[in-house]
Amino acid sequence: EIVLTQSPGSLSLSPGERASLSCRASQTFSSTYLAWYQQKPGQAPRLLIYGASSRATGIPDRFSGSGSGTDFTLTISRLEPEDFAVYYCQQYYNSPFTFGPGTKVDIK
Amino acid sequence: QLQLQESGPGLVKPSETLSLTCTVSGGSLSSSSYYWGWIRQPPGKELEWIGSIYYSGTTFYNPSLKSRVTISVDTSKNQFSLKLTSVTAADTAVYHCARHSTVVDLNWFDPWGQGTLVTVSS
Repeated sequence: EIVLTQSPGSLSLSPGERASLSCRASQTFSSTYLAWYQQKPGQAPRLLIYGASSRATGIPDRFSGSGSGTDFTLTISRLEPEDFAVYYCQQYYNSPFTFGPGTKVDIK
Repeated sequence: QLQLQESGPGLVKPSETLSLTCTVSGGSLSSSSYYWGWIRQPPGKELEWIGSIYYSGTTFYNPSLKSRVTISVDTSKNQFSLKLTSVTAADTAVYHCARHSTVVDLNWFDPWGQGTLVTVSS
């Protein structure tokens, strides 16, 4: 089973600032198989990024993903008020599909 | 627009069976391009994939839960269901249903249902 570790666990930032979230995997795999999700309280997770760097339909271009091997990054270039949420990475390289523990981005 | 909605009891007694249903609307569960999965999130813990089903009934499960899980499908009702036996407090979680592709390279989950909280308590 691939274990995903996310850091930091939480991040306090102001609107307009840049957020950089890390996801590290316990074994290497192609960037094709890494997704990022956003979850707000009481809502379903929303797909942001697939294939490590491709934005899902309707996702603003302030969200970008990068990385390969075991290290992946989600960057939010300029935080908007609606971006304060929890972010999860997920690998679909092999079964069982696994998720990271999440990074909470809250307002400073 | 495809939507998924979970339903079922919010409270289950220890040692009993948890049963949930996911109703798919705005699209057909019988699409050959997708699997339909269950994912749970215990309070304060991370998301855990439980298992998935194809419209034909083919299933695959997370080994950590496989001995207690059954996922089934009812294409006539555009629904799929989860049964988890011998539940304990550790099975208390928000349970989500979600769609994912049959193509390995495209196997992210999208869309998701809102989720339903199931509490295991006597």
